[in-house]
Amino acid sequence: VHLLESGGGLVQPGGSLRLSCVASGFTVSANAMGWVRQAPGKGLDWVSGLGSDDRTHYADSVNGRFTISRDNSKNILYLQMKDLRLDDTAVYFCAKDVWAWSFEAWGQGTLVTVSS
Amino acid sequence: EIVLTQSPGTLSVSPGGRVTLYCRASQSIDYHLAWYLQKPGQAPRLLIYSASSRATGIPPRFSGSGSGTEFTLTISSLQSEDFGVYYCQRQNSFPLTFGGGTTVEVK
Repeated sequence: VHLLESGGGLVQPGGSLRLSCVASGFTVSANAMGWVRQAPGKGLDWVSGLGSDDRTHYADSVNGRFTISRDNSKNILYLQMKDLRLDDTAVYFCAKDVWAWSFEAWGQGTLVTVSS
Repeated sequence: EIVLTQSPGTLSVSPGGRVTLYCRASQSIDYHLAWYLQKPGQAPRLLIYSASSRATGIPPRFSGSGSGTEFTLTISSLQSEDFGVYYCQRQNSFPLTFGGGTTVEVK
């Protein structure tokens, strides 16, 4: 099982980014997947989840601005982020569920910096 | 939103020592609690899920217990690779939430 995130970078407030998480060793569509972020020097903060039943879930802080999705043919999980704010600055990890939304496999993370 | 409060904030322990970490939920979460260890510059690693089930590859020195609002993670004999920040996480219901973390450092 391996997860590799990409798509992070520097963006201005109000801008957009799309993060990708390429999965190998398992099928993304058959598993619940999530995004968790970590602001510099801070703790873990759950962002979004996508179940194998296609149900999506979002933290209140990103609801309406972020969209989680997957491409089954490419085995990739995405996080589309718009209207980015300064406090969205963080390392974003994608993660694979093992049981009831606990995450057994994580990527190395991709850094999103929102700054003018 | 259910808040998870971890204690203590920081723990200084000698290698080989026994460690108990605490996580308190603001409302009952039954047994839906996971524990992670994060080392600097790394992603978190799942240790325990559903309060007491060890994740794949986690040694038996790690044990979890509790239900409702009070949970503990015990490390029976701390090894050098066990130092870092421990987080608890509410599972199963949304929003998922994490505790603020407990740092376990070398004494």
